[in-house]
Amino acid sequence: DQQVKQNSPSLSVQEGRISILNCDYTNSMFDYFLWYKKYPAEGPTFLISISSIKDKNEDGRFTVFLNKSAKHLSLHIVPSQPGDSAVYFCAATEYGNKLVFGAGTILRVKS
Amino acid sequence: DSGVTQTPKHLITATGQRVTLRCSPRSGDLSVYWYQQSLDQGLQFLIQYYNGEERAKGNILERFSAQQFPDLHSELNLSSLELGDSALYFCASSVAPSLAGGLDTQYFGPGTRLTVL
Repeated sequence: DQQVKQNSPSLSVQEGRISILNCDYTNSMFDYFLWYKKYPAEGPTFLISISSIKDKNEDGRFTVFLNKSAKHLSLHIVPSQPGDSAVYFCAATEYGNKLVFGAGTILRVKS
Repeated sequence: DSGVTQTPKHLITATGQRVTLRCSPRSGDLSVYWYQQSLDQGLQFLIQYYNGEERAKGNILERFSAQQFPDLHSELNLSSLELGDSALYFCASSVAPSLAGGLDTQYFGPGTRLTVL
């Protein structure tokens, strides 16, 4: 049972434009949601998180939006840069314990 | 660099063998998590230790075991290896499990790539 889903395996965006990565979840008990970025041959790197009581969190070029009624979150990257090209994982946690990950979305930013 | 170290980086072994993967958490972190990433799959939680004690178990096979030592490093032992055990194994650490709510961010090591032939 996939509790966290990233339905887009890949996304291609032009440099300078907005990248929008989407994630859906089914478990309404999740209390935090996180985004990790992963380069080849490296471990996932924490990007940004959002509490289930918020609907937006911003950190520099990265903004995460949460729509609890739709059980949907998205990561916006503005402006996108070639160095942002990586695999992005959406993850969720219940009471701060284990992370439940989506399958990932490959982002390619073209220069 | 997350501060989490994992050794070895690569491991190639044969079916039926046993291997040990090692993880050193970030300085000050008491909690260690192990995750498995198989081909075409997201990361799957295996097991969590906090200050030497097992705290949570995920989809970990009985052939797999782990422990956390007094110096807080952790080892994941995989035995009777099968072809399907070939995967990336990641260790993550955090300060402490979030006992009273709140986010305790997990920081990941670079992983160990296990290939079973």
